[in-house]
Amino acid sequence: GENVEQHPSTLSVQEGDSAVIKCTYSDSASNYFPWYKQELGKRPQLIIDIRSNVGEKKDQRIAVTLNKTAKHFSLHITETQPEDSAVYFCAASMRDYKLSFGAGTTVTVRA
Amino acid sequence: GAVVSQHPSWVICKSGTSVKIECRSLDFQATTMFWYRQFPKQSLMLMATSNEGSKATYEQGVEKDKFLINHASLTLSTLTVTSAHPEDSSFYICSARVGGSASYEQYFGPGTRLTVT
Repeated sequence: GENVEQHPSTLSVQEGDSAVIKCTYSDSASNYFPWYKQELGKRPQLIIDIRSNVGEKKDQRIAVTLNKTAKHFSLHITETQPEDSAVYFCAASMRDYKLSFGAGTTVTVRA
Repeated sequence: GAVVSQHPSWVICKSGTSVKIECRSLDFQATTMFWYRQFPKQSLMLMATSNEGSKATYEQGVEKDKFLINHASLTLSTLTVTSAHPEDSSFYICSARVGGSASYEQYFGPGTRLTVT
């Protein structure tokens, strides 16, 4: 099955700075890469996703890049705010629609 | 739109008893529903995939006789944890996918916190 690795496991940034989280996947057949934000005890919330036929996608302060050749994708959050503090998960999916999640990154934005 | 609910939101049960968790898609028909388990400070682990009207497909290492999944309609899937033990205590989350080959997004339920004493 698909194996997704995520780094770093924790990330502390100053408010206003950028945060970058990186993930790699093992199966070249994966074609859908969502990113989720999860607050303690809550459901994962989709914040952005990208398909394998696209190299980059941006939504306001959030962007995702995908390098299919290297099999890695990254989440970029600019101008971080305290409310960005949460656990972020990357995931990968193949044509069976099953999601394989990374281990998660705990992001803390210092005011 | 695309709201998924779960019931109950939390449950405490005694070791050896069974617990049923419901997952409903409120405003859409879900061709496929997924069940995940999440232990504290860990990631989501897929337990099984269920399609309406057919048997669930379980991931490797998940006991199908212990975690019974029924997907009786396009809006309802249930997970029954049978003969629960303290090690089954976890956060169980379902998700639902709208049908269609181009639809990859999963909509997650709010989760059910199970504590087995």
